[in-house]
Amino acid sequence: NAGVMQNPRHLVRRRGQEARLRCSPMKGHSHVYWYRQLPEEGLKFMVYLQKENIIDESGMPKERFSAEFPKEGPSILRIQQVVRGDSAAYFCASSPGLAGPGGETQYFGPGTRLLVL
Amino acid sequence: RKEVEQDPGPFNVPEGATVAFNCTYSNSASQSFFWYRQDCRKEPKLLMSVYSSGNEDGRFTAQLNRASQYISLLIRDSKLSDSATYLCVVKRGSGGNQFYFGTGTSLTVIP
Repeated sequence: NAGVMQNPRHLVRRRGQEARLRCSPMKGHSHVYWYRQLPEEGLKFMVYLQKENIIDESGMPKERFSAEFPKEGPSILRIQQVVRGDSAAYFCASSPGLAGPGGETQYFGPGTRLLVL
Repeated sequence: RKEVEQDPGPFNVPEGATVAFNCTYSNSASQSFFWYRQDCRKEPKLLMSVYSSGNEDGRFTAQLNRASQYISLLIRDSKLSDSATYLCVVKRGSGGNQFYFGTGTSLTVIP
C-alpha cells in the first residue's frame, strides 16, 4: 500500500508564475489536508478536502491560493502569481476519515519544497 | 493565545536518559491528541495517538490531562535515533476539522 505521494518534491518558480502542487492520498483515504511549513516554524493548516468538496478552507490565504480534490486524480494546491513569501514546504496528509481510533490519523506525504526566486 | 504550545527546547540528553515533553492546548473542546515526530526536512510521522487512559508503546508513554489541558510524552532509554523534533497535535471535537500543530520540541540524543 503506497503512502501519500506528492509531486514535485522540489519546485522553483519566479515571482508572478503559477505553482501547482499535487497530492495522491493513500489508497482508501478520502480525506486530504494541506499544510504549509515555513522555515523554523510549525505546520499551519491550510485546507481540508474530501472528494469534490472543500470542507474547511479557513487556513487558506484569501487570494491567489486554491485547492481541489476531483473525483478522479490527485488533489491540487494551486498558487497563482507566486511571491517570495510563498517559499515554504507544503505538506499533504490523508486520512480514512472514519469514526473510532485511528480513523482520523493523518499520514503525511514527503512534501513539496517551493522556492520562489 | 496559541491553540497548542510546546517548549521548543532544544533538549540535549545522553543516550539512555529519560526525557519528557509537555504540551498545552487552549481549547477545552479538543478531543483527539497525537504525537508526531519530524526529522529534519522530512514529513511528520505519527508516533502515537494519546488516549484518555494514557498509553504506552515500547519506550514511549503518552499521557493526557484534560483538567489541566496538557499532554505529555515520556521517552525512556533514549537512543541516538530518537533525535528529532516532536510535534504535539490536537484536534477539536465535533464541528472542527482542523488539526492544530505545535511548533515542536527539538530533541538531540548525545552519544
